[in-house]
Amino acid sequence: EPEVTQTPSHQVTQMGQEVILRCVPISNHLYFYWYRQILGQKVEFLVSFYNNEISEKSEIFDDRFSVERPDGSNFTLKIRSTKLEDSAMYFCASSEQGAGYEQYFGPGTRLTVT
Amino acid sequence: DAKTTQPPSMDCAEGRAANLPCNHSTISGNEYVYWYRQIHSQGPQYIIHGLKNNETNEMASLIITEDRKSSTLILPHATLRDTAVYYCIVRVSYTGTASKLTFGTGTRLQVTL
Repeated sequence: EPEVTQTPSHQVTQMGQEVILRCVPISNHLYFYWYRQILGQKVEFLVSFYNNEISEKSEIFDDRFSVERPDGSNFTLKIRSTKLEDSAMYFCASSEQGAGYEQYFGPGTRLTVT
Repeated sequence: DAKTTQPPSMDCAEGRAANLPCNHSTISGNEYVYWYRQIHSQGPQYIIHGLKNNETNEMASLIITEDRKSSTLILPHATLRDTAVYYCIVRVSYTGTASKLTFGTGTRLQVTL
C-alpha cells in the first residue's frame, strides 16, 4: 500500500540554524500539507500546497518557513533561524484531490531545537 | 468549519464495540464529518467520512443523525491496537481546492483486556 514517507525521523538543531524536513507524498497525489504537533498539544495546520503554490497558510507559518516541491516526488519544509518553540513533531500529508478527499499522513519528523 | 465536541476519554473492553460520539450542532449543509485517529505519536490516520448517510468500511462504521448535528464512530470489535486518540472533524468538501484539517483535542480511547 502506498504511503507518505518523511526524513529524517529525528532532527536536532541549534537555535538560529536552518533545517529542511523532507517528505515524499503518495505518487499520484496532487495536494500537499504540513502540520505540526508540539508535545502534548493538538495537531496544527501549517500550510497547504497545490499546483506549485501555497493554497493556504496559518499564522504559525511566518516568513521563516517555506515549502518547495523541487522535483516530481519530494515536498520540503524549510525553517530558517530556528527557535526553541519550533520544537515539535512535523507531519507531512497528501491527498489525491482537494477538499473532498482524505489526507494521508507520514510518520513525522521530530524536530528538537536546542 | 463547524466546531465539534467530543468526550475527552473513553474505555472499552477488547472485543466489544467502541462507540465514540461527536457533537457538531452547527454543521452546515456542505460540510462532511471526518474521523481520524492518532496512535501514540504517529501521524494521524484516516478512518472514515460521510455527509448524511451512514457509512461503513473495513475499519469502522459512521452513524450520522438525521439532523446531522451529531455522529457516532463505531469500532465493531475493538482490539488493543485501537487504543488511540480519535478526532471528529467537520470540513467543507469543494473539489479542486486544498482543505486543511482542523484537529481538536479528540477522544482518548483506551481498550483494555
